[in-house]
Amino acid sequence: DQQVKQNSPSLSVQEGRISILNCDYTNSMFDYFLWYKKYPAEGPTFLISISSIKDKNEDGRFTVFLNKSAKHLSLHIVPSQPGDSAVYFCAASERGSARQLTFGSGTQLTVLP
Amino acid sequence: KAGVTQTPRYLIKTRGQQVTLSCSPISGHRSVSWYQQTPGQGLQFLFEYFSETQRNKGNFPGRFSGRQFSNSRSEMNVSTLELGDSALYLCASSPDGPYGYTFGSGTRLTVV
Repeated sequence: DQQVKQNSPSLSVQEGRISILNCDYTNSMFDYFLWYKKYPAEGPTFLISISSIKDKNEDGRFTVFLNKSAKHLSLHIVPSQPGDSAVYFCAASERGSARQLTFGSGTQLTVLP
Repeated sequence: KAGVTQTPRYLIKTRGQQVTLSCSPISGHRSVSWYQQTPGQGLQFLFEYFSETQRNKGNFPGRFSGRQFSNSRSEMNVSTLELGDSALYLCASSPDGPYGYTFGSGTRLTVV
């Protein structure tokens, strides 16, 4: 039973446009969410996170939105650049007791020049 | 500073064999976690070690085991390998717990 779901295995976007990656979760105890980016032959690297007390967090071109009632979060990348082409993983945890992250299956983003 | 180092990078083993993977964390990091990545499954948590003690374990069979040494280096072992164990095994280190993970590049295990 996947507690964190990324239903789109792939997404293609034109350079300069907005990329929107989506993630749904089922565990209502999750209160901290993270996005990681992974290039081939490298480990995942941390991008941005959000606590459940907020509904939005921005860091440069990256913004994460959290809709707690819908148990949904999204990552917006504006403007998208070819170097953003990678696999993006959504992850979640119960911050107070977390010893692990629960990851989604990932979305392959391709930004076309 | 040096990153998380995983060795070997690639490994091919035969079904039924056992394998040991190694992870050297960032200096000063006492927590080491292991994840398995398979296509379509994302990263699945195997276990976490902190100061030589296993603090948390994921839902994997007993064939998967690990340990951590006094210098925080960690090894994971898989015995009686099955074809389904073919995956990328990722190690992540942090000062304590899952926040502030730095991942290694992983060990690609292929079981034939």
